[in-house]
Order: sequence, then C-alpha cells, then structure tokens
Amino acid sequence: SAVISQKPSRDICQRGTSLTIQCQVDSQVTMMFWYRQQPGQSLTLIATANQGSEATYESGFVIDKFPISRPNLTFSTLTVSNMSPEDSSIYLCSVPGLAGDGGELFFGEGSRLTVL
Amino acid sequence: AQKVTQAQTEISVVEKEDVTLDCVYETRDTTYYLFWYKQPPSGELVFLIRRNSFDEQNEISGRYSWNFQKSTSSFNFTITASQVVDSAVYFCALSLMNYGGSQGNLIFGKGTKLSVKP
Repeated sequence: SAVISQKPSRDICQRGTSLTIQCQVDSQVTMMFWYRQQPGQSLTLIATANQGSEATYESGFVIDKFPISRPNLTFSTLTVSNMSPEDSSIYLCSVPGLAGDGGELFFGEGSRLTVL
Repeated sequence: AQKVTQAQTEISVVEKEDVTLDCVYETRDTTYYLFWYKQPPSGELVFLIRRNSFDEQNEISGRYSWNFQKSTSSFNFTITASQVVDSAVYFCALSLMNYGGSQGNLIFGKGTKLSVKP
C-alpha cells in the first residue's frame, strides 16, 4: 500500500481564517480523494483531486469553500476557507489501492482541525 | 442511492470474548465492493478487508472473520478472542464497481465503537 503523509496533523484555527492541508504520497497515483470526518461521525467524500484538471466535488461541497490543488501525481492540497466552528473535523487524504477500480482506498493519518 | 447501516453504536466486551459487528447495506447495483476499516484512537483509518459482490465466500484472517450474505445484504465482522488492542471504531463501507465516475466514493456506515476491557 502507498505511504500517505498529511500536514498538519492537527491545528487550532480562528474563525474566518483559512488553512491548507497538504497530502504527499510515496508513489504516483492518478486520483486522490479528500474526505471529511466530523466529530463522532462517519466519513464523507468532499472531492476527487485529478492531476491536470479541476477537482470534482460531491454534492454539498463547493470549490470556493474547499479549493483543491493537484500539481503532480504525488501531491495535493485541500484548503478550508473562511472557517467556522462547523468546519471542525478530521480531513483525510486517500488514494486507491492496487485495484484502482473503485476498490479499497488507503488513507493518510488525517488532519484534525479545531475552529474556535 | 447507496446506504450502509451499522446499528450497533457502541459495544463493550471483556478480553477473550468473541464479538460480532453488524453491517447491513443497501444498493440497487449488482456489482459492488464491501469493506471494513479500523480507526484506533490515534485516528488513522486502517484497511482490513475488501469483498466484491461476486464472491460470497466467508473469509478468515487470524482472529478476524467476515460473513458476507447477499440474501440479507449483510457483511458482518467477527473478532474471536478479543484483545484490548482491538479497541477502536470499526467502519463498514460500500462502493460501486464503476469505471469512471465517483471511483473514490466509499459510502461509510456510522461506525461501531468497540471497547475491549482487560
């Protein structure tokens, strides 16, 4: 499985600010995915980060709030913009497993954000 | 629409007990994957198993076993002789075998928090 590193691992942020989360993978992958896990909740897909094209957002998530960059096949960033306490969550980066066809995903350790 | 239900919110057992975590899924598609993930207190998600809809064979891996029954749309997970290190939140998830489209869209259940006490 790929090794996925996320930064920061955790942060405390002030309302109205923005924070960028970085995700680095130790191998080239076509697709990277960003998930959100709100406190005590399950995981929800935010968007798919495609290299060379704009990210594809799921229903309920918009580019202005969660801009994503994907400059190459091993790196992506997710920005949480104009944060409010409701954005306090764990944000996880993930990549497909060997199957790469909708099969298992491997996840980074997550970035735990607390917005005051 | 797809849905995954983990009716057990929290389970507490004593070490060495067997425990089964239930997972019921809903989908109209005939081709799909099912997964179990473990999330220990440290927060990372650990992939445990993937089954595809073509293969209903049960699987055993050490103390872990999985029972997949399409007739009841269930994919239950049993830990035999539980240990304190098994304490974690366990998520069941579903994805469709789409080629193109939302390949990364795993539909997760709400998770079952397992506490194993010494």
